[in-house]
Amino acid sequence: DTEVTQTPKHLVMGMTNKKSLKCEQHMGHRAMYWYKQKAKKPPELMFVYSYEKLSINESVPSRFSPECPNSSLLNLHLHALQPEDSALYLCASSQDAGAPNSPLHFGNGTRLTVT
Amino acid sequence: SQQGEEDPQALSIQEGENATMNCSYKTSINNLQWYRQNSGRGLVHLILIRSNEREKHSGRLRVTLDTSKKSSSLLITASRAADTASYFCATVNTGGFKTIFGAGTRLFVKA
Repeated sequence: DTEVTQTPKHLVMGMTNKKSLKCEQHMGHRAMYWYKQKAKKPPELMFVYSYEKLSINESVPSRFSPECPNSSLLNLHLHALQPEDSALYLCASSQDAGAPNSPLHFGNGTRLTVT
Repeated sequence: SQQGEEDPQALSIQEGENATMNCSYKTSINNLQWYRQNSGRGLVHLILIRSNEREKHSGRLRVTLDTSKKSSSLLITASRAADTASYFCATVNTGGFKTIFGAGTRLFVKA
């Protein structure tokens, strides 16, 4: 079991749907991350939040909209996705995004299928 | 974008043998980390080596770092079937905000 919890574990959505992925951590970490991982590929960084503020957006399409309501929660809102967006979406947290020796703690991900 | 490459892409060994994976990267780093991922699961942090360190040990893991060659290696000694997983190196940029993963090595340990 991980200390970062992601829900749902699996999600199937149509291209016109709106859905949200949720991530929660209670380790007191102040940095949270979204990564996207395609099969047999490494995770690709999407967004970084530091102290509840968006610090990095890796040129992610606007159909992905992150939100950090508080220091424990991270959401990823999805709208008008394409089939190529199907992937494993991983949330991670670390003690502090500005502390480079702070490793990432990952959740088990949400397996997203866009039909 | 990926920071670097890992080799081999896949490695199959017998239980009890050692497994060595290599990682190369392209830019200046603050540290280099290794993670493990079991199929369909999240990544688990294994070990971190700072840019001013050359070698680090943790249990059956040994990591080396050569900043002049921009490369690192992970050695798993006396492998077990439970070590079967994908292994990724990851580098943290000097600003500390980005952790970027290499392509990964898929390790299969046969019992």
